[in-house]
Amino acid sequence: GIQVEQSPPDLILQEGANSTLRCNFSDSVNNLQWFHQNPWGQLINLFYIPSGTKQNGRLSATTVATERYSLLYISSSQTTDSGVYFCAVVYGNKLVFGAGTILRVKS
Amino acid sequence: SQTIHQWPATLVQPVGSPLSLECTVEGTSNPNLYWYRQAAGRGLQLLFYSVGIGQISSEVPQNLSASRPQDRQFILSSKKLLLSDSGFYLCAWSPGTLTAQYFGPGTRLLVL
Repeated sequence: GIQVEQSPPDLILQEGANSTLRCNFSDSVNNLQWFHQNPWGQLINLFYIPSGTKQNGRLSATTVATERYSLLYISSSQTTDSGVYFCAVVYGNKLVFGAGTILRVKS
Repeated sequence: SQTIHQWPATLVQPVGSPLSLECTVEGTSNPNLYWYRQAAGRGLQLLFYSVGIGQISSEVPQNLSASRPQDRQFILSSKKLLLSDSGFYLCAWSPGTLTAQYFGPGTRLLVL
């Protein structure tokens, strides 16, 4: 099956700092999603991005499908950005998740 | 707009007891429905998915089963819970097979 690897596994930032999260996948995929899981466990859709770049406020994502990776950029981080960020790829008719990046933003 | 509900939010059950978790979707018809489990706060594992009433595909052999008795209702069940069934169970829906998936609030299950 496909492998989805996220890096770094853990990240601590000072409020206001920028960060880049990476997602590598081992095979061609039909699509890709980024999620933020908040402290209450809710999975929040951030981006649905098969290729190219999308932006939503302080967040942006870029997927280079031909090179099998995606990047999530967080600018001017806030404490509310803390949580776990998951990358998930649409492989066949299934969504396959990476192990996530745990982000902690300190004030 | 579409919404997805799960209940109960939390559940504590003894080993060997039965289980029934429910998921319902509003505001759409004929959605694809999914059950995932998340253990230890990292990584989600697909358990079951359904593309229509009565159509269930199982991804991982286990102690659980799923049913879809109505178009927008998805149920996760077990006849006898094991300790290893503890975890966070998430239901999701999508409008089609290759489209974005949207997740419910989840059910935390603790088997003692």
